[in-house]
Amino acid sequence: KAGVTQTPRYLIKTRGQQVTLSCSPISGHRSVSWYQQTPGQGLQFLFEYFSETQRNKGNFPGRFSGRQFSNSRSEMNVSTLELGDSALYLCASSRDGWDSPLHFGNGTRLTVT
Amino acid sequence: EDKVVQSPLSLVVHEGDTVTLNCSYEVTNFRSLLWYKQEKKAPTFLFMLTSSGIEKKSGRLSSILDKKELSSILNITATQTGDSAIYLCAVVSNTGNQFYFGTGTSLTVIP
Repeated sequence: KAGVTQTPRYLIKTRGQQVTLSCSPISGHRSVSWYQQTPGQGLQFLFEYFSETQRNKGNFPGRFSGRQFSNSRSEMNVSTLELGDSALYLCASSRDGWDSPLHFGNGTRLTVT
Repeated sequence: EDKVVQSPLSLVVHEGDTVTLNCSYEVTNFRSLLWYKQEKKAPTFLFMLTSSGIEKKSGRLSSILDKKELSSILNITATQTGDSAIYLCAVVSNTGNQFYFGTGTSLTVIP
């Protein structure tokens, strides 16, 4: 069974630009969550989607948005990039969200210059 | 505010040693606690502990949940260099509907 796939693996952008990250969950998983990981803050929850609906959202500004498609694939968009957005962005999928463990992709390393 | 605290922040041991990693939480309406191992990129799932399953074991790794003390430990016996990684603890609440992660414990096993 294929794991969670994230693309691209690496991204370099400049301040003010916008970026879209993609995540394909494990087949059969309907919940997709996004996390930002930085050395000082650890994993910070961005949002979670289930059956194309955003069920929960973390404490990030409105520049961070996401969506989920009918095939459960998800995208995350960050507009007006800031230097502080440089991080590893991890996507995780699970069968139902809360009663089964998250399975993570390898992440997208975003560098903002 | 819900939070998860892991200790120690980092640990260096020699091969063959036994280590104990700690995770304490303040989460309203606890649902479950999970342990993950992160080596290079993707955290990989180790254990899930709930009220109905407070102890798990897999090979040299084991974990116990103490709901009274709001904490969990992860034990690794006879450590190997391949155990070097960041170990993450996450807690799920019924009300928050999200996974709250600690900042992790960085374990380095020296040959």
